[in-house]
Amino acid sequence: DTAVSQTPKYLVTQMGNDKSIKCEQNLGHDTMYWYKQDSKKFLKIMFSYNNKELIINETVPNRFSPKSPDKAHLNLHINSLELGDSAVYFCASSRDSGANVLTFGAGSRLTVL
Amino acid sequence: DQQVKQNSPSLSVQEGRISILNCDYTNSMFDYFLWYKKYPAEGPTFLISISSIKDKNEDGRFTVFLNKSAKHLSLHIVPSQPGDSAVYFCAAITLGGNTPLVFGKGTRLSVIA
Repeated sequence: DTAVSQTPKYLVTQMGNDKSIKCEQNLGHDTMYWYKQDSKKFLKIMFSYNNKELIINETVPNRFSPKSPDKAHLNLHINSLELGDSAVYFCASSRDSGANVLTFGAGSRLTVL
Repeated sequence: DQQVKQNSPSLSVQEGRISILNCDYTNSMFDYFLWYKKYPAEGPTFLISISSIKDKNEDGRFTVFLNKSAKHLSLHIVPSQPGDSAVYFCAAITLGGNTPLVFGKGTRLSVIA
């Protein structure tokens, strides 16, 4: 039973399209995150939600909109996709916002053509 | 602005020998450090951590050393096994702050049988 699951695992789409990546965790954690790993391999934080409330929003274009319907889910919607959005997106969760150990999903590889 | 640096993108080691992965950081506010291990097509998984009040933490074959004055930490794996072949990410955080884990670019370790 996967602790942090994200769908889809692979996504290939055209520039200008809108797409969503879903994430669910069954660990009972309060905090969830989206990280982006780009071509330079850095894992960079995008957003963090604690109990459905946004607590971290790094300098991410407003084409990216996270949505947390409940504390077990954090979905990522991306409007008007650009070539530079191609990356692997990792969802993660932690016990709370002060916790230092994150549990990651397997990643969603987005390719924008 | 790379606050966490892993300057070696890859490392090859023979089975049974010691693997040493290095990490440097620039932010003196970091007080907790973690190593994550990542296999292909999987998310990073937590491996071992160390608090800034310690200079060494050991867990089986894995030992992390911290040199605060040099802002340097290292992960030692001994003896190295083929199953250790993976990408290793160094990460750092300031406990109690509302800031997320900051990751390095990772070092790909290949353990050759």
